[in-house]
Amino acid sequence: GQNIDQPTEMTATEGAIVQINCTYQTSGFNGLFWYQQHAGEAPTFLSYNVLDGLEEKGRFSSFLSRSKGYSYLLLKELQMKDSASYLCAVLDSNYQLIWGAGTKLIIKP
Amino acid sequence: GAVVSQHPSWVICKSGTSVKIECRSLDFQATTMFWYRQFPKQSLMLMATSNEGSKATYEQGVEKDKFLINHASLTLSTLTVTSAHPEDSSFYICSARSSGRDYNEQFFGPGTRLTVL
Repeated sequence: GQNIDQPTEMTATEGAIVQINCTYQTSGFNGLFWYQQHAGEAPTFLSYNVLDGLEEKGRFSSFLSRSKGYSYLLLKELQMKDSASYLCAVLDSNYQLIWGAGTKLIIKP
Repeated sequence: GAVVSQHPSWVICKSGTSVKIECRSLDFQATTMFWYRQFPKQSLMLMATSNEGSKATYEQGVEKDKFLINHASLTLSTLTVTSAHPEDSSFYICSARSSGRDYNEQFFGPGTRLTVL
């Protein structure tokens, strides 16, 4: 079966750095997405990785290792507004998005 | 660019009534649209995939006669929840994929919160 694992919840301090991990086992791989979702809102796109390595975009970076079936989202200089759920999703061989359950990130002052 | 709208944003209805939710791609043509449902504190659950001009493909466990999907044009898909019941109360989100843009990216609508009394 297809499976995506990420921690249920993480807590971090304002101004700090946090890394949210995602491991996946899917039928085929056409890229991995990270989305941010605030409570009561739809997901918003953060990043897309299809090749191994690190993609940096401002305070957010995303890393992919296809051989390990592993990705992480790195958030730097955390702000209170970063409190949200972070969803990892993999595009499988049929170009269907397989979603992780999401990681709820709580930022404390 | 790549804006997807949904209407209505929220709806409250009585049990047994039908509710239609519209999903529109405003500045691109969406050959494929996806309908998701999300219960509180849970991840997105794909309900169905619809391609313009053809029947929707429903995920296992989703009743096609209860959740009617129509994708009549390249910019509009509708989801009709027929004979809604309280257990259908959820957050319904659509997303759209364009043939003209990066094939892999989906653009999400803002969601529709349905409450069935």
